[in-house]
Amino acid sequence: SQTIHQWPATLVQPVGSPLSLECTVEGTSNPNLYWYRQAAGRGLQLLFYSVGIGQISSEVPQNLSASRPQDRQFILSSKKLLLSDSGFYLCAWSGDRAETQYFGPGTRLLVL
Amino acid sequence: AQSVSQHNHHVILSEAASLELGCNYSYGGTVNLFWYVQYPGQHLQLLLKYFSGDPLVKGIKGFEAEFIKSKFSFNLRKPSVQWSDTAEYFCAVKSHNTDKLIFGTGTRLQVFP
Repeated sequence: SQTIHQWPATLVQPVGSPLSLECTVEGTSNPNLYWYRQAAGRGLQLLFYSVGIGQISSEVPQNLSASRPQDRQFILSSKKLLLSDSGFYLCAWSGDRAETQYFGPGTRLLVL
Repeated sequence: AQSVSQHNHHVILSEAASLELGCNYSYGGTVNLFWYVQYPGQHLQLLLKYFSGDPLVKGIKGFEAEFIKSKFSFNLRKPSVQWSDTAEYFCAVKSHNTDKLIFGTGTRLQVFP
């Protein structure tokens, strides 16, 4: 069966520091991969999605970037964190027909 | 642009009460519809989905949802809630010509024994 992992689970970082959040999927090949940010009372906002290695689509202009160095690995990064980057970040995957998305446990990021 | 509206932001019920959470979307074409649930401290998980066929969809834990195309709605229902249904519920829509899910803002359900 397929599983999706995210780490770290929680992260506290100072303003201006770099960020790297990792997401990996097991048990499937060539998944579509997604990064979301969840804010209280605002639902889930799609940040990036990828249909294959090296293929990244950005949904909103922001201080973050994403990369997909391997088929089942999706990384969310920043060179310099802002206070407004604090939030709960969710990774998701779907099959190549992009029908149903399945979510990871999330990373809670606090920027101080 | 597509959007999803969940008008109930916070719902408080007693056990055994009936539940209906509203979800409306704006998109005129063919859509796939989803309800996700996030229990306290747990992953966001799929509750039920509609792709085609019978517009009344049954999901896990006794939940069901009805797709009414003319009303652009996909309301979630449960005849008798339990304390363990306390969670946040998200409606989501995907049009057939995109890989992206559009989520509503969520409804927080609290069930008291």
